[in-house]
Amino acid sequence: DAKTTQPPSMDCAEGRAANLPCNHSTISGNEYVYWYRQIHSQGPQYIIHGLKNNETNEMASLIITEDRKSSTLILPHATLRDTAVYYCIVRSFSGYSTLTFGKGTMLLVSP
Amino acid sequence: EAQVTQNPRYLITVTGKKLTVTCSQNMNHEYMSWYRQDPGLGLRQIYYSMNVEVTDKGDVPEGYKVSRKEKRNFPLILESPSPNQTSLYFCASSLPGGSGQFFGPGTRLTVL
Repeated sequence: DAKTTQPPSMDCAEGRAANLPCNHSTISGNEYVYWYRQIHSQGPQYIIHGLKNNETNEMASLIITEDRKSSTLILPHATLRDTAVYYCIVRSFSGYSTLTFGKGTMLLVSP
Repeated sequence: EAQVTQNPRYLITVTGKKLTVTCSQNMNHEYMSWYRQDPGLGLRQIYYSMNVEVTDKGDVPEGYKVSRKEKRNFPLILESPSPNQTSLYFCASSLPGGSGQFFGPGTRLTVL
């Protein structure tokens, strides 16, 4: 699976959009981009995934660049409860390939 | 409610005393796995199972055993726990392919 690079930490004001970047320049054609988050010591929570088109669900939006070498997770109106470590993971969609968690981005949402 | 449950949530034990951490999911998922999380090392996969009676090693399987006799359950067994197995453990499940994995709430294990 391709490796990812994320900033170690980011800050965001409550109510504003949080834009979390991820670089995955070695991504291959059959690999998807997944985002998970982990609120302190709780189980990781799946957020969203995509291949090349932008995706949106009730939690977030995922914007993938045309060359697929980077992506951005957008939390449109961040709340204090969105404070967590966010993990960007690239993996094949087929089979049961392992989720490899890197260090992620610690997002701190402040009042 | 769709969920993955783990028991116990907290456990303090002593070296060498066999223990089992249970994991159960109610979503009829084929795939289940175990991870451990340690400071500075992130989440690492211990074992996974693609379906009943099918299990395989992850990245850090030493000192652990698993079994998958029923689709909903995937217990993690430590036959002779050691202090280096002190960690936060998570169970996860998912459908085949690339759907997102559902994680349990975690089990914090301390081995003295």
